[in-house]
Amino acid sequence: QLVQSGGGLVQTGGSLRLSCGASGFRFSSYGMSWVRQAPGKGLEWLSYISRSGTVKFYADSVKGRFTISRDLAKNSLSLQMSSLKADDTAVYYCARGLQDVGAANFDCWGQGTLVTVSS
Amino acid sequence: EIVLTQSPGTLSLSPGERATLFCRASQGVNSTYLAWYQQRPGQAPRLLIYGASKRATGIPDRFSGSGSGTDFSLTISRLEPEDFAVYCCQHYGSSQWTFGQGTKVEI
Repeated sequence: QLVQSGGGLVQTGGSLRLSCGASGFRFSSYGMSWVRQAPGKGLEWLSYISRSGTVKFYADSVKGRFTISRDLAKNSLSLQMSSLKADDTAVYYCARGLQDVGAANFDCWGQGTLVTVSS
Repeated sequence: EIVLTQSPGTLSLSPGERATLFCRASQGVNSTYLAWYQQRPGQAPRLLIYGASKRATGIPDRFSGSGSGTDFSLTISRLEPEDFAVYCCQHYGSSQWTFGQGTKVEI
């Protein structure tokens, strides 16, 4: 199970931190990602972090503004977002990578949290 | 960058009918990393198919996937009321994860 927290309303240019708590599985054995969905739009992958946390990838749309991290001791995944823009308004999901395919697909999702960026 | 294009945008069918959805990649992709998800309104996506044709845990056998190279499809053999939702394909390659724009299956 993945339970998300954080999110809410933030001003343009502001920062926000999303969290995702994992339970019911060995968190350290899975690569994890963040995915978002703008209102009425499709899914957009944002960032990936490897099992150990040493490898990270980002979509061009958030590179340099968002930082993914994980705390293996707390079974927690985070997304630090800064320099937020109106285009970042979306529901944000954390997602677990399917082990069978090396985290290429996502077999468990958080409930989603809404981030609204407004001036 | 690989682009996934799904068709049709909307599929209007009745319960009990067969649904076939398509996902075309802008270039050949590794089918090992091709997945399909279902998303109901207000819910998180749910993995249906991975490896182009393997059903995820707990997915009914009325869902099936096929394809290779650039062309993939998802078939729902007999639509149940709970199957009316949005479906999207997804691929991984070169450290990037890509989603299609989705197909809505409506009554």
